[in-house]
Amino acid sequence: EPEVTQTPSHQVTQMGQEVILRCVPISNHLYFYWYRQILGQKVEFLVSFYNNEISEKSEIFDDQFSVERPDGSNFTLKIRSTKLEDSAMYFCASCRGDSAGNTIYFGEGSWLTVV
Amino acid sequence: AQKVTQAQTEISVVEKEDVTLDCVYETRDTTYYLFWYKQPPSGELVFLIRRNSFDEQNEISGRYSWNFQKSTSSFNFTITASQVVDSAVYFCALSEAPTGANSKLTFGKGITLSVRP
Repeated sequence: EPEVTQTPSHQVTQMGQEVILRCVPISNHLYFYWYRQILGQKVEFLVSFYNNEISEKSEIFDDQFSVERPDGSNFTLKIRSTKLEDSAMYFCASCRGDSAGNTIYFGEGSWLTVV
Repeated sequence: AQKVTQAQTEISVVEKEDVTLDCVYETRDTTYYLFWYKQPPSGELVFLIRRNSFDEQNEISGRYSWNFQKSTSSFNFTITASQVVDSAVYFCALSEAPTGANSKLTFGKGITLSVRP
């Protein structure tokens, strides 16, 4: 069964460093997302991406964050200068986007620890 | 604005007991989708079910069943004859848009279910 894959599964980084989290969405999906889950808290929407541009972003997704689809398969989240409060599990997700297939499927997550 | 409330935070049951996880939602839209996801200790989010607002039929899948009631804005999830492998955090989520880029999910806070042998 097709799945969303994410790398790395876990990354430890120094405060102020740049981090790139990578995702390969399901191949026939058109809509891509990043969500965040701080330890012990609920899952929060960060950004949605369609047709090579951001379609919606939350207030969490400030200028330190950016997303990119550099080629036909990868979808990346960059945090420019990490802060301690960026420590969280980051989930990539994708969705086919038609009326029969708008279920959002999640990857296994990338656990980011900022020290 | 949309909101999902999972009032129960932690539930502990003994194996083979039935357990119901509650979910109450708020939305101004007439078209919306409701979801349940399971997050086992390994951390991934596993899709369990999607239900659209026009389909109030209850659904059963093996030991899992879902009760959608628009009148009370609830979408409850029952596990029958629980097993240790059911131990996880369960999230209820709502999407207001039927398709596409606006299909972002609003999650509840999750319910931690522990099933003891």
